[in-house]
Amino acid sequence: NAGVTQTPKFQVLKTGQSMTLQCAQDMNHEYMSWYRQDPGMGLRLIHYSVGAGITDQGEVPNGYNVSRSTTEDFPLRLLSAAPSQTSVYFCATRWGTDMFMGYTFGSGTRLTVV
Amino acid sequence: SQQGEEDPQALSIQEGENATMNCSYKTSINNLQWYRQNSGRGLVHLILIRSNEREKHSGRLRVTLDTSKKSSSLLITASRAADTASYFCATESINAGGTSYGKLTFGQGTILTVHP
Repeated sequence: NAGVTQTPKFQVLKTGQSMTLQCAQDMNHEYMSWYRQDPGMGLRLIHYSVGAGITDQGEVPNGYNVSRSTTEDFPLRLLSAAPSQTSVYFCATRWGTDMFMGYTFGSGTRLTVV
Repeated sequence: SQQGEEDPQALSIQEGENATMNCSYKTSINNLQWYRQNSGRGLVHLILIRSNEREKHSGRLRVTLDTSKKSSSLLITASRAADTASYFCATESINAGGTSYGKLTFGQGTILTVHP
C-alpha cells in the first residue's frame, strides 16, 4: 500500500512549456484533489474530483487542466507554464466517512518555471 | 483567499513545555482539521473536530472549537524536539446543498520549533 504517489519530485520548466504532474493512489479513494503551496500562503485548492469522470475547479484553477479517467489516477496538466506557477504541488485523497475522515497527502512536486 | 488565519506565525519553546496554536476562520464549517508538515515533506493529518464538538483529544494533542467565535486552538502538551514542524488548520465548509465534500481550505500555518 503506497498511499498517494506523486511524480516527478522536482521539475524545472521554461516559460511556455507544458507538462503533466502525476498523482496515483492505491487506496480506492473516490475523492482526489490538487493543491499548490507558496511561501507564506498556506495551501490553495486548484482542482478536485469526487470520482472517475467528475472534476471541478478549486480556488486557483487558471492555467491548469485535470481529468479523471480512473479511480487511481488524477493528473494535473500545466498548459503553458508561467513563472507564477513556481510552487510546490500536492495531491491529496479524502478518506473515511462523515463520522471519521481526513486527507492523505502525497510528498509533493517542487516545480520551478524559469 | 485564505479561510483560516493562524496565530502565532512562529513559536519557539523548550522541550517539555506546552505549545498552543490558534486558528480563526470566516465561513460556516462542517469540520476543522489540523495537519503537521515537516520541512520539505507532505502534510500529515493530526486530528479532526466536527462543528458540533467543542473539544477533542488525541494523545498529547488537544483541540478546541468555538463556532460562535469561528476559532480553534491546538495544544501540544509536553512537547518534544520531534514536534518541530509547521502546523496548519484547515476547514471543510458547507455548501448550498448542505454538504462539504471536496473543498479543504487552509490557514497560513504556524512554524513550531522545539529546542532540546
